[in-house]
Amino acid sequence: GAVVSQHPSRVICKSGTSVKIECRSLDFQATTMFWYRQFPKKSLMLMATSNEGSKATYEQGVEKDKFLINHASLTLSTLTVTSAHPEDSSFYICSASLGRRVTEAFFGQGTRLTVV
Amino acid sequence: SQQGEEDPQALSIQEGENATMNCSYKTSINNLQWYRQNSGRGLVHLILIRSNEREKHSGRLRVTLDTSKKSSSLLITASRAADTASYFCATESYNTDKLIFGTGTRLQVFP
Repeated sequence: GAVVSQHPSRVICKSGTSVKIECRSLDFQATTMFWYRQFPKKSLMLMATSNEGSKATYEQGVEKDKFLINHASLTLSTLTVTSAHPEDSSFYICSASLGRRVTEAFFGQGTRLTVV
Repeated sequence: SQQGEEDPQALSIQEGENATMNCSYKTSINNLQWYRQNSGRGLVHLILIRSNEREKHSGRLRVTLDTSKKSSSLLITASRAADTASYFCATESYNTDKLIFGTGTRLQVFP
């Protein structure tokens, strides 16, 4: 299957700083990427849909100014957690699909963010 | 929330036994997918069943879909310790690009 690489896999940052997480599709062009957040032993909650060349679509309740998403190319989307707080600590996962309809999604390995 | 629900939340079995997980969802769907997640890792796609399909097989996996009841089940036959993971169903609805995940089932297979 297609490969999606997410970097970094783990990051620890201080409160008030910003953290950028990258999601790359390595062997295909991803028109659409998705960002999820997962709390311990919980399911994935969709945060936003990232479309190449246009603004991301955020789910209800997700602060777009806090979670900045940029999808500047067909192989890269980034999620920046701005002015991070301890409550932002979580597991963030991206996925990419081959077209604008999801069908089978390919997931990155996830990023464990810890804000201290 | 549109999130689906899975049961059981947790399941512990011995190697060789079968494991059945159930998923219920709320809206009409285009397809339903099952994913596996090892602890602290990303998700791996297992199987996709379309809304006009009732049953699908892939190796030791068997998935059923009942759109009238808005439910699906995943059966893993002859389980192995390596099957230990969390399993999630996810639905894709018509007119949306999004996958909505269920609450997940944590499966523990003892050797």
